[in-house]
Amino acid sequence: AQSVTQLGSHVSVSEGALVLLRCNYSSSVPPYLFWYVQYPNQGLQLLLKYTSAATLVKGINGFEAEFKKSETSFHLTKPSAHMSDAAEYFCAVSEGTGANNLFFGTGTRLTVIP
Amino acid sequence: NAGVTQTPKFQVLKTGQSMTLQCAQDMNHNSMYWYRQDPGMGLRLIYYSASEGTTDKGEVPNGYNVSRLNKREFSLRLESAAPSQTSVYFCASSEGAPSNFGPGTRLTVT
Repeated sequence: AQSVTQLGSHVSVSEGALVLLRCNYSSSVPPYLFWYVQYPNQGLQLLLKYTSAATLVKGINGFEAEFKKSETSFHLTKPSAHMSDAAEYFCAVSEGTGANNLFFGTGTRLTVIP
Repeated sequence: NAGVTQTPKFQVLKTGQSMTLQCAQDMNHNSMYWYRQDPGMGLRLIYYSASEGTTDKGEVPNGYNVSRLNKREFSLRLESAAPSQTSVYFCASSEGAPSNFGPGTRLTVT
């Protein structure tokens, strides 16, 4: 069975600083991994996904994530935070291409300090 | 393109009442999903539909029923609402992993 752990339910960074949101997964087979963003009072948007191609995945809004099998991690980064990045971020893992077995982490709320 | 639309946006029910949450997508996706989101938790899958005419249970299906009316529409029904069903409900559609989510329905059961 697969699961996701997001370290840190709240992360604060200064505007212009590096954003690092941590995600560790557990999976019995090679996983598919996803990051989603949720702005206040909105649905989730897919930021990026890893589906066993390149280990460094680039997504929208300048975000990227690196799949590290040895560390079972898929951390999300952005070199320079913008105020508009303030949102909740969810990591998710799936053991197949379908979404019926997609499991979400509990989320990390990112605050950007001016 | 409206994407994924959900109605209503907000609803308050009394325990034991019934209601149907509506979802429609205009992206011609085969797969549609219903999730619930509770504080401090990630989204949990209630039901999904891989294609028109098929539905399957997800992680938390108890107390819910669904109908895939056609390729565009996927409704979620609460037959007898309970306070434990107070949540925010999201519909999604995709080919593969969910990529398009609706804006959500905030449901309170008193």
